[in-house]
Amino acid sequence: GAVVSQHPSWVICKSGTSVKIECRSLDFQATTMFWYRQFPKQSLMLMATSNEGSKATYEQGVEKDKFLINHASLTLSTLTVTSAHPEDSSFYICSARDSWGDTDTQYFGPGTRLTVL
Amino acid sequence: QQQVKQSPQSLIVQKGGISIINCAYENTAFDYFPWYQQFPGKGPALLIAIRPDVSEKKEGRFTISFNKSAKQFSLHIMDSQPGDSATYFCAASKGSTLGRLYFGRGTQLTVWP
Repeated sequence: GAVVSQHPSWVICKSGTSVKIECRSLDFQATTMFWYRQFPKQSLMLMATSNEGSKATYEQGVEKDKFLINHASLTLSTLTVTSAHPEDSSFYICSARDSWGDTDTQYFGPGTRLTVL
Repeated sequence: QQQVKQSPQSLIVQKGGISIINCAYENTAFDYFPWYQQFPGKGPALLIAIRPDVSEKKEGRFTISFNKSAKQFSLHIMDSQPGDSATYFCAASKGSTLGRLYFGRGTQLTVWP
């Protein structure tokens, strides 16, 4: 199957700093990427939908100025958590939609564990 | 509002047994129903998916049964193995919304050796 990578896999930062997470589709082009947040033993919560070359669409309740999303190319989307605070600590997962040809499937990255001290 | 309802929340099965997880939805516009498997600390991995034009799809030990009239679908894991112990999520999507997935709450499966 298609591969989606995330970097870093885990990060620890101090309160008030910004953290950037990268999501790459390695063997396909993704016009749409999604960013999720997951708390322990809970389901995935969609934060935003990112389309290449346009502004991201954020879900209700997600602060767009705090969670900056950039989808600069068909294989790369980034999530920047600005002025991070301990309550932003979570597992962040991206996914990429492969909708070329006969396929239309969403593949997930391995996730990034963010801990804000 | 939970668009996809999943049950049970947790499931314990003996090795070699059949694991069954159920999901239900309301929105008849959904036309794609995937199941994802997630191990602790990892991202979800696509397991198997079905579209409404078929009532069943089988891949190895994993089978999706789909009941369009009841708006329900289920995952059956035959000959369950300890390595199947993970959290399983059902999801639904409609093509008109660029693939946005609506997830169930997840089922934590434990397979006893």
